Amino acid sequence: GAVVSQHPSWVICKSGTSVKIECRSLDFQATTMFWYRQFPKQSLMLMATSNEGSKATYEQGVEKDKFLINHASLTLSTLTVTSAHPEDSSFYICSARAGGWGNQPQHFGDGTRLSIL
Amino acid sequence: DAKTTQPNSMESNEEEPVHLPCNHSTISGTDYIHWYRQLPSQGPEYVIHGLTSNVNNRMASLAIAEDRKSSTLILHRATLRDAAVYYCILRDYTDKLIFGTGTRLQVFP
Repeated sequence: GAVVSQHPSWVICKSGTSVKIECRSLDFQATTMFWYRQFPKQSLMLMATSNEGSKATYEQGVEKDKFLINHASLTLSTLTVTSAHPEDSSFYICSARAGGWGNQPQHFGDGTRLSIL
Repeated sequence: DAKTTQPNSMESNEEEPVHLPCNHSTISGTDYIHWYRQLPSQGPEYVIHGLTSNVNNRMASLAIAEDRKSSTLILHRATLRDAAVYYCILRDYTDKLIFGTGTRLQVFP
């Protein structure tokens, strides 16, 4: 089945550091990928929709200059958390869809746990 | 966004069937009903989806009410590995998945 790989699985870094998270679709091409954030004991919150070859679409309240998204190829999207601070510590998850909308499932990565000291 | 309502938690014994309900009274005609589940410290996993007719796959069955205002995810024989948070989501033309709070399923041996 369709596999989405996310890297790294976890990262710990100092406040002020920028962190890049990769999301790859391993066996299918994904024109659209999605980025989510999940705080402990909460549900997933959609941050942005990443479109191959164009700018990402951010959800209301998500800072586009803080969370930089690049979708340069049909199999790779990256999320960069710039100048990360402790409040950015969270579980970041990406997903990708193979095929047309609605009638195709999204496939999720295993997430990246980000801890900012 | 169209919204769904699910019970916060449910319990089941191993090898028993589980029926997870979902209400979506504001569903529109083109919304697909998707179910995902999330195990601790993992990304969500696709379970099943449907539009109007009942659906079956190797993981579960999806029963959709005739008026489409509710649906039920059926796990035919629960195992300990089925313990997870189950999300019922309406997927519209925007292709986004907006997660609600889901149902936490506990399975007892």
